[in-house]
Amino acid sequence: SAVISQKPSRDICQRGTSLTIQCQVDSQVTMMFWYRQQPGQSLTLIATANQGSEATYESGFVIDKFPISRPNLTFSTLTVSNMSPEDSSIYLCSVEPGGHPDTQYFGPGTRLTVL
Amino acid sequence: ELKVEQNPLFLSMQEGKNYTIYCNYSTTSDRLYWYRQDPGKSLESLFVLLSNGAVKQEGRLMASLDTKARLSTLHITAAVHDLSATYFCAVDSNTGNQFYFGTGTSLTVIP
Repeated sequence: SAVISQKPSRDICQRGTSLTIQCQVDSQVTMMFWYRQQPGQSLTLIATANQGSEATYESGFVIDKFPISRPNLTFSTLTVSNMSPEDSSIYLCSVEPGGHPDTQYFGPGTRLTVL
Repeated sequence: ELKVEQNPLFLSMQEGKNYTIYCNYSTTSDRLYWYRQDPGKSLESLFVLLSNGAVKQEGRLMASLDTKARLSTLHITAAVHDLSATYFCAVDSNTGNQFYFGTGTSLTVIP
C-alpha cells in the first residue's frame, strides 16, 4: 500500500487565478495519476505523470490548463490555471505502488471551489 | 474510448437484504477494480480482479469478473448500515496504466 497526502485539502479561489496542488507519497513510485471528480460524479483521469518525462494527458485536458510537475519519485504537483467556476471539483492524485497491474491508492483529495 | 457503466446508480436497501451491483465495460480487459467512497472522503480499494472467473470476498461483499461478458458484479449479503457509501468499479485498458471509472453506485442501507 501507500500513504498519500495532498495540499491544500480545500481552497476557494477567484476566477482567473491559478492553484497548485501538491501530492506526496511515502514511497518511491514510478507513475502518479491525477484525477478530477466533479460534484456527484465519477472520476476522470486528467494525466499520468512519470518522473523524468512529460506528463501524458487524456483527451479533453491540455498542458496549458493543467501543467504537471514530477521532480522525483515521491512528489508531484498539478496546477489548475486561469480558473473558472467549471473547474470547481475535487482533484485527486493516485499511485500504483505494486507495479502494474495493481490497484491504485488515492490521496485524500483537494476540494476546489472557484468563484 | 473505453466506457464503464454501473447499475443501479442509486440503491436503497433494508438491512439484512441481499443485492447485486453490476459493472459493464465496452472493450477487452481482464483487470477490474472495486472501490468504496464515503461522503467527503477519498477512495478505498476493495477488490482487485485480474482474470476471467476471478472471485474475491471480504465480509459481506463479494466481487466477480466475467471477461467474456465484460461484466463484473459486486454482491452484498445481509446488508448493514456501515455499507452505506458510493461504490465504483474501474477497468484497466490492457494497453496502458489508465483506469477508467464507472458511473458509481450510491448505496444507502436503511435500518
